Amino acid sequence: SSELTQDPAVSVALGQIVRITCQGDSLRNFYASWYRQKPGQAPVLVIYGENNRPSGIPDRFSGSSSGNTASLIITGAQAEDEADYYCNSRDTSGKLYVFGSGTKVTVL
Amino acid sequence: QVQLVQSGAEVKKPGASVKVSCRASGYTFTGYYMHWVRQAPGHGLEWMGWISPKSGDTSYAQKFQGRVTMTRDTSIRSAYMELSGLRSDDTAVYYCARDLRGPHDYWGQGTLVTVSS
Repeated sequence: SSELTQDPAVSVALGQIVRITCQGDSLRNFYASWYRQKPGQAPVLVIYGENNRPSGIPDRFSGSSSGNTASLIITGAQAEDEADYYCNSRDTSGKLYVFGSGTKVTVL
Repeated sequence: QVQLVQSGAEVKKPGASVKVSCRASGYTFTGYYMHWVRQAPGHGLEWMGWISPKSGDTSYAQKFQGRVTMTRDTSIRSAYMELSGLRSDDTAVYYCARDLRGPHDYWGQGTLVTVSS
């Protein structure tokens, strides 16, 4: 399968922890990358590889993986974290890429 | 600093073709693959394919095979995505994004392509 499945939406109270998951067969062999996208803006890479953050991404963002599931964790969610989040990885062939369907995160 | 600057918005009629450009600066253009990703209004991100600026090798998502062509011009550090046989459901924002051996670490600002009769 070349699909990556994400929950459509999740909400989190300000300052609390939220986990966003991404499921797919290819994740057993390849790491997921995670992107944050705010309305009208290009996506921004927030987590890649085992658990790497690009420069400028706050350390409240972290990643983990187990079996066919990758997770993005926001520890101490802030109002500015409200956005759509997408996972991305190679497909099962390893030659192409695929995005998850996206998760809308609402900070209450 | 790394920058990817894309060409401006386009309006095309059904059946036409569109060619979007992506000019890179701030890094060695031939050292990193370039991805193309699109996003239809109100929808998620969709990976279209990638090109090696060094060799010109390409890989395309099956959905776009036969309709998409990705090219590059190393002399002006630019990558191109051409989509033919446009339909109304090709209306989307098209992004180029640099490859960091998997993750897409830098993105262009996006190019809106509108397909309408």
